[in-house]
Amino acid sequence: QKEVEQNSGPLSVPEGAIASLNCTYSDRVSQSFFWYRQYSGKSPELIMSIYSNGDKEDGRFTAQLNKASQYVSLLIRDSQPSDSATYLCAVIKGNNDMRFGAGTRLTVKP
Amino acid sequence: DAGVIQSPRHEVTEMGQEVTLRCKPISGHNSLFWYRQTMMRGLELLIYFNNNVPIDDSGMPEDRFSAKMPNASFSTLKIQPSEPRDSAVYFCASTQQGYYGYTFGSGTRLTVV
Repeated sequence: QKEVEQNSGPLSVPEGAIASLNCTYSDRVSQSFFWYRQYSGKSPELIMSIYSNGDKEDGRFTAQLNKASQYVSLLIRDSQPSDSATYLCAVIKGNNDMRFGAGTRLTVKP
Repeated sequence: DAGVIQSPRHEVTEMGQEVTLRCKPISGHNSLFWYRQTMMRGLELLIYFNNNVPIDDSGMPEDRFSAKMPNASFSTLKIQPSEPRDSAVYFCASTQQGYYGYTFGSGTRLTVV
């Protein structure tokens, strides 16, 4: 079982819709959770972090964490074509090393 | 801040040659990470350092790979001898200990022919 699992997609949504990205992790001691966005040919860019159960909102982005279900999600409201990218879920356990999922490719169609 | 700086941006080399990738972390960051990204395997953690000391190198694929961090502002990842299957994008990232979020460099795209 992979440490961090994501649907590889591609996920396609129309402009203005809500995009929902999901992630599960295997290790219950995981403490910190992140979403990175990676444009084609670019490096990953941190867009959200979440540490406790519940929702965390930042602009059009909402991260959701459910530790009991070992589940993390990212909602993108009012999706824009510029949101088209690969979204990587990442998890840190007790130390500092971060493990990434394979990423979900999102396409927002105008 | 200039961010995490990697060099070279692109490297094309012949099989069997030695390759050295370089990374300068953000000033004040005391943890440094080397990742490799391929389509097949995604982002894989190769090795990371805390305060210049290697903590976990279990992700280094083979003895052909080695990494050093002689000081807080510089790290290298060396592949000797290189093989075509080493072709990938290699990322360096850094963070402050206790601050959870990495900053990635622009990456080095390595092609071994």
